[in-house]
Amino acid sequence: DADVTQTPRNRITKTGKRIMLECSQTKGHDRMYWYRQDPGLGLRLIYYSFDVKDINKGEISDGYSVSRQAQAKFSLSLESAIPNQTALYFCATSDARTGDNQPQHFGDGTRLSIL
Amino acid sequence: RKEVEQDPGPFNVPEGATVAFNCTYSNSASQSFFWYRQDCRKEPKLLMSVYSSGNEDGRFTAQLNRASQYISLLIRDSKLSDSATYLCVVNAYSSNTGKLIFGQGTTLQVKP
Repeated sequence: DADVTQTPRNRITKTGKRIMLECSQTKGHDRMYWYRQDPGLGLRLIYYSFDVKDINKGEISDGYSVSRQAQAKFSLSLESAIPNQTALYFCATSDARTGDNQPQHFGDGTRLSIL
Repeated sequence: RKEVEQDPGPFNVPEGATVAFNCTYSNSASQSFFWYRQDCRKEPKLLMSVYSSGNEDGRFTAQLNRASQYISLLIRDSKLSDSATYLCVVNAYSSNTGKLIFGQGTTLQVKP
């Protein structure tokens, strides 16, 4: 079983719809992250969380919101989806217990298309 | 200037070749450095951390030059399975926030 699981893996929806992407992890890591990846732009950080109820904006948080209600879960919401939010979304985790600058471990990704 | 810059390639090499990628970073206070590998439409996976003294893992060697602010990855005896995009990754700030900055990646194609 994957340590970092994202659901759904693929989603096609229409402009204006509310969408939630879920991420759960069994690694016991404190820190969780949401990224989007677009061709030619690389990975960009949307939001991150260092603990339950801790939420921090990344470089491209507009149009997104997140929730961290439990250590193992970090969900990303698009309140009113628009076509330029079509992208590949990744959740990642890292372990702060072994030092502050640890590598991140990624889920399989969610391919989201907004029509 | 981008915070992490890589030559996007593609690098097309024959099997068995040695290939090197470089990456430059802008924040001189960065402390942690990594190379990730990403296959097409898949998640990035940690290939190796990069240590100040340089480090090796089998056919892969990573080097760090703090004075010039660049990182390199050397792949010896390339295999077909090495074909992927290689991401250079640097921690964002010296204050140890856990945030990482990802380069856009360098694409490697190993040909038979």
